[in-house]
Amino acid sequence: DAKTTQPNSMESNEEEPVHLPCNHSTISGTDYIHWYRQLPSQGPEYVIHGLTSNVNNRMASLAIAEDRKSSTLILHRATLRDAAVYYCILRGNSGYALNFGKGTSLLVTP
Amino acid sequence: DGGITQSPKYLFRKEGQNVTLSCEQNLNHDAMYWYRQDPGQGLRLIYYSQIVNDFQKGDIAEGYSVSREKKESFPLTVTSAQKNPTAFYLCASSTLTGVNTEAFFGQGTRLTVV
Repeated sequence: DAKTTQPNSMESNEEEPVHLPCNHSTISGTDYIHWYRQLPSQGPEYVIHGLTSNVNNRMASLAIAEDRKSSTLILHRATLRDAAVYYCILRGNSGYALNFGKGTSLLVTP
Repeated sequence: DGGITQSPKYLFRKEGQNVTLSCEQNLNHDAMYWYRQDPGQGLRLIYYSQIVNDFQKGDIAEGYSVSREKKESFPLTVTSAQKNPTAFYLCASSTLTGVNTEAFFGQGTRLTVV
């Protein structure tokens, strides 16, 4: 499976937008880009996913580069409850299991 | 409400004993997964199953065993052969054609070997 690269940690102020980057230079044409987040001592929860076009839902937006080699998860107004580890995962036809890296630990300060 | 349930939330085991972690889902999902998470690390895949009575090893299957006798249930046994069993264990499920759908996770079982 193609791998993703994310910064280990990021920090944001409350009520500010947050842009979480992910590089996936070896992505294949059929790989979907998924984002999950994990709050402390909880199971991961789905955030958003996309293939080629930018996507929006109630939690976040996903901006996908035109060449698909990178993507950005956008939290429009960070809250303290958004402090979590965010995982960028490629999900393709080679297998159905999600392959997690270490993700980005997001700290939100008041 | 539909979801995925893991039990117990905390589990203590004496060294040398086998222990079974429960995972049940009522989402009618075909695929189920077990992951292990160590402090400060990402999730690593132990086993996964795409259909009843069939399962495949993940990246770290040694010392673990699973069964899939019912679609709703995918229990994980941590055997005495697992050298470092203390960890946070997560179960997940998804549809079989899951690349374009989300996976659902349980709240995890924290296993401590004493």
